[in-house]
Amino acid sequence: QSALTQPPSASGSPGQSVTISCTGTSSDVGTYDYVSWYQQHPGKAPKVMIYEVSKRPSGVPDRFSGSKSGNTASLTVSGLQAEDEADYYCSSYAGSNILVFGTGTKVTVL
Amino acid sequence: EVQLVESGGGLVQPGESLRLSCEASGFTFRDYNMIWVRQAPGKGLEWVSYISSYSSAKNYADSVKGRFTISRDNAKNSLYLQVNSLRAEDTAVYYCARYGRTWSFDYWGQGTLVTVSS
Repeated sequence: QSALTQPPSASGSPGQSVTISCTGTSSDVGTYDYVSWYQQHPGKAPKVMIYEVSKRPSGVPDRFSGSKSGNTASLTVSGLQAEDEADYYCSSYAGSNILVFGTGTKVTVL
Repeated sequence: EVQLVESGGGLVQPGESLRLSCEASGFTFRDYNMIWVRQAPGKGLEWVSYISSYSSAKNYADSVKGRFTISRDNAKNSLYLQVNSLRAEDTAVYYCARYGRTWSFDYWGQGTLVTVSS
């Protein structure tokens, strides 16, 4: 049950794009298309932004997109806005009713 | 409106126990799997435990296995986490969350803080 690896930080100017990687193993990200991404603002509960690798829940702007290749999933935020500044966490199903989260990435809007 | 409200956190000494609760409203609780997730101060999210809708399936993170027990009472729309033999490293905000889609969680509570310190 090792955490998925994310870069500690990422940044971009308003209007630009930022991509966050989430690297797991063949036991989690590489096997299951059950990767989700969560946004968390300081002092708040996480909010799901992407599920099943690339699907967006209703109400999530289409500026948020997800993808996966092999053992690495990615979240791209296009057209960065000030309110996108937050911590982002990936998660993946790892079999046997086990969930694993990523280490988290702090996104800064410059 | 879907709501999840955690309670039961507090300041305890190492080795002590607590029972965390998560009261659900605004949806048919018995139809949904649930999880507990924790977040140590300034740290990332850590999955703690999972329970299926009728409690037939449960699992735990290795870090809490044997010390924590998840349960639910569908008649009371409530999820529980019994936390025993607490350690300093269990200090965290504990969130309950509703299973929305395949292993993604669409509603979260506001969290309850557990502090383990002598």
